[in-house]
Amino acid sequence: QLQLQESGPGLVKPSETLSLTCTVSGGSISSSSYYWGWIRQPPGKGLEWIGSIYYSGSTYYNPSLKSRVTISVDTSKNQFSLKLSSVTAADTAVYYCARVRYGDYVTVWGQGTLVTVSS
Amino acid sequence: SSELTQDPAVSVALGQTVRITCQGDSLRSYYASWYQQKPGQAPVLVIYGKNNRPSGIPDRFSGSSSGNTASLTITGAQAEDEADYYCNSRDSSGNPYVVFGGGTKLTVL
Repeated sequence: QLQLQESGPGLVKPSETLSLTCTVSGGSISSSSYYWGWIRQPPGKGLEWIGSIYYSGSTYYNPSLKSRVTISVDTSKNQFSLKLSSVTAADTAVYYCARVRYGDYVTVWGQGTLVTVSS
Repeated sequence: SSELTQDPAVSVALGQTVRITCQGDSLRSYYASWYQQKPGQAPVLVIYGKNNRPSGIPDRFSGSSSGNTASLTITGAQAEDEADYYCNSRDSSGNPYVVFGGGTKLTVL
C-alpha cells in the first residue's frame, strides 16, 4: 500500500526558506500515471494546491505562489521536495504531500505536517 | 486558472439525503472529485471521475454533474458523515493544475 510521509522543520523564521521532503514507500515515484504534489491548509481554512511534479522533473506551480516555490524530485531516493522562500506568517499551515492523478484528483495523501512561521 | 465555489455550510437530518454543490467554469470540461476531511485528519477521496468511489467508501456517497455544477450526494446521512467536504478539478487550461473549492462544513442533526 502506497504511503507518503512528510519531513522537515516545524518552525521557520520569517523571510527564511521552508523546506520539506516527502518520502514515498510501497510504490515507485516513477509511475507514469501520476504527479506528486504539495497542498497546504492554513489553520481553520481550506485546501490550497502549491504545485506538482512529474517523475521526469516537469513542474507545475500555483500561479499565486510560483515566484517563491521550487519542487524537485529524487527518483533514486523515491522522494520529492518543496522549497518555499521568503515565508511570512501567512505561510503557516499544515503541509501535505500527495499523489495526484494528473490534475484531476488526489489518490493518496500524507498525514500532513504543521509548519509555523514565527520568530 | 479557475475557481470552484462551494456553500460554506450545509446541514442534514440524520438518515436524510443531502446534496453538496461545487460550481466553476472548469466543470464544464472536467469532472469534479470530492474529499471528506474530519478534524485533525488528512482529506480522504470519496468520489472521482464521473461517479467512482474508491475502495472502502460507502455507496451512500455519489457524484453527478450538470453544466458548471458538480454535486456530491449523501443518501441516508450518518453521524459519521459530519465533516468538511472539498471539491477539486483540473484547471480549465487543461494543464495539471489542481483547483480546490473553499469547502463545505456538513452538520448532521
